[in-house]
Amino acid sequence: GENVEQHPSTLSVQEGDSAVIKCTYSDSASNYFPWYKQELGKRPQLIIDIRSNVGEKKDQRIAVTLNKTAKHFSLHITETQPEDSAVYFCAATGNQFYFGTGTSLTVIP
Amino acid sequence: NAGVTQTPKFQVLKTGQSMTLQCAQDMNHEYMSWYRQDPGMGLRLIHYSVGAGITDQGEVPNGYNVSRSTTEDFPLRLLSAAPSQTSVYFCASSNRNSPLHFGNGTRLTVT
Repeated sequence: GENVEQHPSTLSVQEGDSAVIKCTYSDSASNYFPWYKQELGKRPQLIIDIRSNVGEKKDQRIAVTLNKTAKHFSLHITETQPEDSAVYFCAATGNQFYFGTGTSLTVIP
Repeated sequence: NAGVTQTPKFQVLKTGQSMTLQCAQDMNHEYMSWYRQDPGMGLRLIHYSVGAGITDQGEVPNGYNVSRSTTEDFPLRLLSAAPSQTSVYFCASSNRNSPLHFGNGTRLTVT
């Protein structure tokens, strides 16, 4: 099956700085890559996704890039704010959703 | 639309007891799944279903059963609870290559 690795496991940034979270996947058949944000005690919620026929996608301060050849994709958050503090999960999807182990992001005011 | 509804929100079981976690979705999604979330281990797939009458095992299926008699419902049964099953359980649904929609989770403690 698919193996998704996510780094780093924890990340602290100063408010206003950028944050980057990276994921790699193993199955070249995976074709859909969503990112989820999970606040403490709540359910994961989709923040952005990208399909395998696209290299980059942006939504305001959030962007995702995909390199199919290298089998890695990344989440970029610019101008971070304290409310961005949460755990972020990447996923790779073919027939099932396979999740990374999460990145705990702390934005320091 | 209510989305994905999970019940109960909290449950405490004694070792050896059985119970069913309920999950229902009203979005006519084909795909439904159960995950458990443990600290530092992300979301691990227990069982999933690609349609009514079809179920399959995920990464960590031992000790759990599922059935999918209707499109809407996907209950998860714990056959004989063990302390290792203490976790937060999420049900989720989607259509193919579309975002997963999660329920609010069930926090289960087995003593």
